[in-house]
Amino acid sequence: QVQLVQSGAEVRNPGASVKLSCQASGFTFTSYYFHWVRQAPGQALEWMGIINPWGDSITYAPKFQGRVTITRDRSTNTVYMELRGLKSADTAIYYCARAWGAGSELDFWGQGTLVTVSS
Amino acid sequence: QSALTQPASVSGSPGQSITIPCTGISSDAGRYNYVSWYQQHPGEAPKLLIYGVSDRPPGVSHRFSASTSATTASLTISDLQAEDEADYYCSSYIDGGRLFGGGTKVTVI
Repeated sequence: QVQLVQSGAEVRNPGASVKLSCQASGFTFTSYYFHWVRQAPGQALEWMGIINPWGDSITYAPKFQGRVTITRDRSTNTVYMELRGLKSADTAIYYCARAWGAGSELDFWGQGTLVTVSS
Repeated sequence: QSALTQPASVSGSPGQSITIPCTGISSDAGRYNYVSWYQQHPGEAPKLLIYGVSDRPPGVSHRFSASTSATTASLTISDLQAEDEADYYCSSYIDGGRLFGGGTKVTVI
């Protein structure tokens, strides 16, 4: 069955970086785009970026440009998201989700990873 | 910057129908069916509810329907049930990226 299994919760100090993973199984990894979406406590979903099936085209939300890097590794069917220069406002649950096309719906989501930024 | 606007909350009684509007849909997103809706229960990941403006994935109740007119997308929940109490988000593709609405909390009273 389709699975997107995300890495475990992280705690970081302000100014640090975090790299999250999302391992896919149950479908052809190289046929799908992947998004990262975050949700601060009690807040709405916020789109961060998308990577294409070949990993050579990545689009980031303007808000995160320069601070986020999304990559993928087809040898391990894993997508990564690194966020740098962490602030307390980055405390959120981070989700990965797959899509069959650049503009298509996010049809399956990972379970989410809680990132807490606190000194 | 573009934004999708949803009401913060909508409520209804069991058996009633409710509609959640989402304004700010671009003409391209509506024309190419790049509008989708997601349901999120507390403590859970979002789940795809509607795609391609008005299509339902397998397993989603026929009580959920959607439409788009001009720059507004709408989600309708018919025959409201207790299990429909959740947050609902509209989303559209725009300029190579994606927008989410601010979310609507549906309460079954």
